[in-house]
Amino acid sequence: AQTVTQSQPEMSVQEAETVTLSCTYDTSENNYYLFWYKQPPSRQMILVIRQEAYKQQNATENRFSVNFQKAAKSFSLKISDSQLGDTAMYFCAFIRASTDSWGKLQFGAGTQVVVTP
Amino acid sequence: GAVVSQHPSWVICKSGTSVKIECRSLDFQATTMFWYRQFPKQSLMLMATSNEGSKATYEQGVEKDKFLINHASLTLSTLTVTSAHPEDSSFYICSARPGDYYNSPLHFGNGTRLTVT
Repeated sequence: AQTVTQSQPEMSVQEAETVTLSCTYDTSENNYYLFWYKQPPSRQMILVIRQEAYKQQNATENRFSVNFQKAAKSFSLKISDSQLGDTAMYFCAFIRASTDSWGKLQFGAGTQVVVTP
Repeated sequence: GAVVSQHPSWVICKSGTSVKIECRSLDFQATTMFWYRQFPKQSLMLMATSNEGSKATYEQGVEKDKFLINHASLTLSTLTVTSAHPEDSSFYICSARPGDYYNSPLHFGNGTRLTVT
């Protein structure tokens, strides 16, 4: 079974600063995908970034980037130049690259990010 | 693209009644949809996998007779909470992905807040 661990329940960051969210996972699979989703107060789940395990290059999406360490099973998210609109719950998620997994995402517990003026 | 619409956004019902929640993929076909439940300040818990034209697959501990799922077409899945009780009050979210590729991101509906009085 796979588990996804987010050890930081809440993080606070000032506008324009940088914050890094940690995520570790446990799996015996070699091929999988990792995602970060954000859930703002509206509760709409929004994809932030995704990473294929077979790619060594870290994914980036504008102000969002990841540090993917496959051997350490770590997948942290860095938010640069934080904006008030980044305030949300952030979920790390894992999915096996296997058709028999039916595409089921395994979510971490989430980290609440609060961006302050 | 890849929009998932969920309806209603919120519903209040009396104990003992049934409530139907719809999940539609607006611009793509989805042979598989997923239903999640989320308690306040907690992560998403997968309830069941909805398969077009066949029975849903329920996660361990989820009562299939309580949470009826129907996936009658490639764009519509419904979750019916039968004989609802106050403990069924929660936030329910559906998700789907275009095609059957497990590595393409899931897209989420905007959720349904159910309150049972």
